[in-house]
Amino acid sequence: QKEVEQNSGPLSVPEGAIASLNCTYSDRVSQSFFWYRQYSGKSPELIMSIYSNGDKEDGRFTAQLNKASQYVSLLIRDSQPSDSATYLCAVSSGYSTLTFGKGTMLLVSP
Amino acid sequence: DVKVTQSSRYLVKRTGEKVFLECVQDMDHENMFWYRQDPGLGLRLIYFSYDVKMKEKGDIPEGYSVSREKKERFSLILESASTNQTSMYLCASSLGGADGEQFFGPGTRLTVL
Repeated sequence: QKEVEQNSGPLSVPEGAIASLNCTYSDRVSQSFFWYRQYSGKSPELIMSIYSNGDKEDGRFTAQLNKASQYVSLLIRDSQPSDSATYLCAVSSGYSTLTFGKGTMLLVSP
Repeated sequence: DVKVTQSSRYLVKRTGEKVFLECVQDMDHENMFWYRQDPGLGLRLIYFSYDVKMKEKGDIPEGYSVSREKKERFSLILESASTNQTSMYLCASSLGGADGEQFFGPGTRLTVL
């Protein structure tokens, strides 16, 4: 059974701080990794994709991948109250499918 | 931008009814997916399709069927709705290949009474 593990949170950070969200996965052959943001009552929205080891930056977001440790993370710099949401980690499972973690709730307080 | 639409945002049905959930994508994507999302259980894959008239079971296909007669449209069918199928249903699509990004529709919150 392929698994993707995330701390459910909530992770609480003050406005302007760096939020660090973590994810581990069990399938060593996974090649693609994604972060989705989901606001309450809404559908998941893709915010980052990462395919190779190292860091990938997009605006205030940085995704980090370490395949040897089977670990992927998302850093959100200068966190804003509008970043308060649940963040889902997803890992490719072959046959075009993704395995999703259950998500980490992030709360950014003003 | 990828646009994935679902036929209803909210739906209320009675136990035993046949329920159709429709999903349409406008970006010529090869792959389409149906998930359900429940508190504490996360996103679970029901069925997916990688081509017209092709379908594959996901993790929880029991009680569901699907239809893909056209590339842009993927339907989820609950043959005889039950209360344990009350959930948020999410459709997604991806371009193709093994490791593609998936884009989600707005979701349908189905309540079965």
